[in-house]
Amino acid sequence: KAGVTQTPRYLIKTRGQQVTLSCSPISGHRSVSWYQQTPGQGLQFLFEYFSETQRNKGNFPGRFSGRQFSNSRSEMNVSTLELGDSALYLCASSSLIGTQRLTGELFFGEGSRLTVL
Amino acid sequence: TQLLEQSPQFLSIQEGENLTVYCNSSSVFSSLQWYRQEPGEGPVLLVTVVTGGEVKKLKRLTFQFGDARKDSSLHITAAQPGDTGLYLCAGYSNAGGTSYGKLTFGQGTILTVHP
Repeated sequence: KAGVTQTPRYLIKTRGQQVTLSCSPISGHRSVSWYQQTPGQGLQFLFEYFSETQRNKGNFPGRFSGRQFSNSRSEMNVSTLELGDSALYLCASSSLIGTQRLTGELFFGEGSRLTVL
Repeated sequence: TQLLEQSPQFLSIQEGENLTVYCNSSSVFSSLQWYRQEPGEGPVLLVTVVTGGEVKKLKRLTFQFGDARKDSSLHITAAQPGDTGLYLCAGYSNAGGTSYGKLTFGQGTILTVHP
């Protein structure tokens, strides 16, 4: 079955602009998580959505937001971009329900590499 | 805030050598996972360990979860160039509903195996 698809794969923006990244999860997966990966901080959790509801949020400023649609596709938005937002943004989908939230596998996409100039 | 300390950060070895990567925390985790990430790709799950003291083997890879569920190790026997990549440990917290989709990742170990 098709994996997690993220678009765009690469993008370049300038400071102050905003960006929207898209994620299509594996068919049947209703949970979508977003992570930011940088060389200095590693992978950091941004937020998680399930059935169009944000269930969990990491420690990122309000400039980072997301949403999920009824077909489980998700988007994340970063407004007023800063140089430090340059990173690989990874989306992961899963079928985590009940106790699986403590052990379940996350299936990652290839990421969207954002460069802020 | 739960943290996972992963070591070493870099590992450069010759084909055929053995190696161990460590993942330590002062916090208890419901489970620990090991992922491998190759350039241009997202992380891919290798294994999940759930029970304290658990040992899992995946061909030449051996994974162990500490008795207190605060640490884990990955041991590779007779490393091959195909093992080259970024190895990440990650854990789900015990914090109930706040753990949805939220993995805490270690900083990663960049492994290079030379032919």
